[in-house]
Amino acid sequence: AQSVTQLGSHVSVSEGALVLLRCNYSSSVPPYLFWYVQYPNQGLQLLLKYTSAATLVKGINGFEAEFKKSETSFHLTKPSAHMSDAAEYFCAVSDQAGTALIFGKGTTLSVSS
Amino acid sequence: GAGVSQSPRYKVAKRGQDVALRCDPISGHVSLFWYQQALGQGPEFLTYFQNEAQLDKSGLPSDRFFAERPEGSVSTLKIQRTQQEDSAVYLCASSLGAGPSYEQYFGPGTRLTVT
Repeated sequence: AQSVTQLGSHVSVSEGALVLLRCNYSSSVPPYLFWYVQYPNQGLQLLLKYTSAATLVKGINGFEAEFKKSETSFHLTKPSAHMSDAAEYFCAVSDQAGTALIFGKGTTLSVSS
Repeated sequence: GAGVSQSPRYKVAKRGQDVALRCDPISGHVSLFWYQQALGQGPEFLTYFQNEAQLDKSGLPSDRFFAERPEGSVSTLKIQRTQQEDSAVYLCASSLGAGPSYEQYFGPGTRLTVT
């Protein structure tokens, strides 16, 4: 069965610092992987997705993620954090049927000035 | 509107009451999903529709939960005899097609509090 583990429920960085949010997955089939962002009182917004076309995936707002099969990881990075990046981030994998998403527990990103 | 809308945004129910949560997907979207997000957790899948057909309801936690999408557009999630453990944010998502290559667009959610 597919599953996702997000390491670190809370990450704090300074404005301008590197952002690294960790995600490891378990999947019995080649996975589709996703990163979503959730701002307070808003719905989830797709940041980026991996669909086997390229291992380095670029998303919106300067975020990118690298699929590493050997490490079963799909970590999210951004070279320079901005105050507006403060939000909840969720990693997700598609289920075996390829329809529903299975989410991790989320990582809260705080950015200080 | 351009996005997925949900109503009401907030709902307070006394334990034992029935509630109905509505989702208006993006026009033309074939697939519709319901997720439950407990406080401090990631969303968990409840059920999936392709047009009016409910193809997967494996995530519904009990027979008190029921979802429908009779005309393949608007969907309603109904919870009967609400319990405190039903308190959560209920998220609806829709996608243009079926399968993970199609992006799921999420609504803002309905926050249900059972007292």
